[in-house]
Amino acid sequence: EAQVTQNPRYLITVTGKKLTVTCSQNMNHEYMSWYRQDPGLGLRQIYYSMNVEVTDKGDVPEGYKVSRKEKRNFPLILESPSPNQTSLYFCASSSGLTYTDTQYFGPGTRLTVL
Amino acid sequence: KQEVTQIPAALSVPEGENLVLNCSFTDSAIYNLQWFRQDPGKGLTSLLLIQSSQREQTSGRLNASLDKSSGRSTLYIAASQPGDSATYLCAVSANEKLTFGTGTRLTIIP
Repeated sequence: EAQVTQNPRYLITVTGKKLTVTCSQNMNHEYMSWYRQDPGLGLRQIYYSMNVEVTDKGDVPEGYKVSRKEKRNFPLILESPSPNQTSLYFCASSSGLTYTDTQYFGPGTRLTVL
Repeated sequence: KQEVTQIPAALSVPEGENLVLNCSFTDSAIYNLQWFRQDPGKGLTSLLLIQSSQREQTSGRLNASLDKSSGRSTLYIAASQPGDSATYLCAVSANEKLTFGTGTRLTIIP
């Protein structure tokens, strides 16, 4: 089954404790991205990757890191989480970002930073 | 910078009615526009994708239109059902980025 998986689905942590949210897709997609969703603000893009070893900042990259060492994986790293990073996070993938490319989303990771 | 707006933020209609959701965007230089559905606590599911050269797309009871020159899209839902209750988001693709609207929360009243 074609899918995007994220782990963990739920996470409660404390300020400053480094964490990683994993994202994996089994569709051989080149384009992957991370979004955060906050009430009233919608989905905002954090980082995206057009291919292996190619990453770029989205609209809200501060406080986050990513890496793309393999085509299927695109982990999101919070080196020193803060309470304002409490949010619902989504990973997405697609063949590209052109005329016909549909985005596939993971189920989301709800992060709470105390 | 691309901005995407969806009005209204919430909508309630009786079961069986036809309804229209609206999406507007500021920069018409897009590759495509997509409509997504999001159920509470769940991820996003793609409903329809309209390429920039197309005027509309249909899937079952759903019909999405695109007027790129005016920066508008509509999602038409025919014969609404309680199972259509969800948040509907539109997103435009341009310059290696996908920009989302804040969504319309739709409630179908049985």
